[in-house]
Amino acid sequence: DQQVKQNSPSLSVQEGRISILNCDYTNSMFDYFLWYKKYPAEGPTFLISISSIKDKNEDGRFTVFLNKSAKHLSLHIVPSQPGDSAVYFCAAKLDSGYALNFGKGTSLLVTP
Amino acid sequence: DVKVTQSSRYLVKRTGEKVFLECVQDMDHENMFWYRQDPGLGLRLIYFSYDVKMKEKGDIPEGYSVSREKKERFSLILESASTNQTSMYLCASRTGNRYQPQHFGDGTRLSIL
Repeated sequence: DQQVKQNSPSLSVQEGRISILNCDYTNSMFDYFLWYKKYPAEGPTFLISISSIKDKNEDGRFTVFLNKSAKHLSLHIVPSQPGDSAVYFCAAKLDSGYALNFGKGTSLLVTP
Repeated sequence: DVKVTQSSRYLVKRTGEKVFLECVQDMDHENMFWYRQDPGLGLRLIYFSYDVKMKEKGDIPEGYSVSREKKERFSLILESASTNQTSMYLCASRTGNRYQPQHFGDGTRLSIL
């Protein structure tokens, strides 16, 4: 059963605008959340993470928001650039666990 | 920078063969992981190891085994390859701190004919 869900398989955004990628989860025992970016023929690259004790974390153009009551997190990319075009995976870790549970990914296309 | 190296980028094998996928990390990480990535299914955990000689099953361990004899190396073994094991295989490593990100290799695209 998929515990981490990315319900939008794809997203298209114009260069310079904001990209918002969404992720929902079902298990309230997740306590650490991450976003990875993946280009074709490469491994996933870590982007940004957030602990469950926070509701926001920023790193340059990337901000992750966590809404624990809604079991929802989002990744904001501002401004979006063509080089951001990739597949983005949301992942979550159980408080007692070692491994990550991944969503199925959202393919972001940033057009000039 | 963390370097996770997978021995092959592309591999073609035949059904019934025993297949070894190798992964080496250079950061003295305690934890190592094997995932497979399939279209529309995301990344699914096959096995992980939290220390040398220690291993735990992930979500889809059937048909696979692993070996971790040295800290830097984690091997995935397909005991008798089948066509449904055609996939992209990704290795990752992480420190023993579970609140640190995993770092991935570039993957092995395995085709079983």
